[in-house]
Amino acid sequence: GQSLEQPSEVTAVEGAIVQINCTYQTSGFYGLSWYQQHDGGAPTFLSYNALDGLEETGRFSSFLSRSDSYGYLLLQELQMKDSASYFCVPGSGTYKYIFGTGTRLKVLA
Amino acid sequence: GAGVSQSPSNKVTEKGKDVELRCDPISGHTALYWYRQRLGQGLEFLIYFQGNSAPDKSGLPSDRFSAERTGESVSTLTIQRTQQEDSAVYLCASSFRVNEKLFFGSGTQLSVL
Repeated sequence: GQSLEQPSEVTAVEGAIVQINCTYQTSGFYGLSWYQQHDGGAPTFLSYNALDGLEETGRFSSFLSRSDSYGYLLLQELQMKDSASYFCVPGSGTYKYIFGTGTRLKVLA
Repeated sequence: GAGVSQSPSNKVTEKGKDVELRCDPISGHTALYWYRQRLGQGLEFLIYFQGNSAPDKSGLPSDRFSAERTGESVSTLTIQRTQQEDSAVYLCASSFRVNEKLFFGSGTQLSVL
């Protein structure tokens, strides 16, 4: 079967670093994507990990450990505009991209 | 087109009526996805198309929901005999191929009174 776990909510202050963890169980797994969704907006793609290790895109980094079925999104130098929901999305051979409930990040001034 | 387009952006209907939601994917994108998002909730997978075929319809909540895609382009999600629990934002996304990143439309806000 498939399962996906992320914290429901994370709070941090402006300028801080925050890590959003994700554990998954997916048949035919081939990679982990991260999406961001602001309130009232549509999800937008942030990053993708096909292999183990860290991928860096500006202030955002994403990590994957395939053997642990675990990944995380790291956001550095937090800004108020980073307040949003973040979804980890395992890629599966069924191509049913399951977004789950996501993690709501609140950035405080 | 430049992005994924959904219409209408808002739809208010009475309980028991049928509604059709439309999605125009990015030109050349072979995969198309429908999701439902209730207020304050995550995205619920409904169905995806590879070309004009839907390999897995198990995400559709009930037999009142159906979807089709024609010409490897436009897709329509139809909800028959709408119920109040159908009220949600319906999001469409497309990708160049099934294992590539998704581009989302702005969604259709459906309100069933």
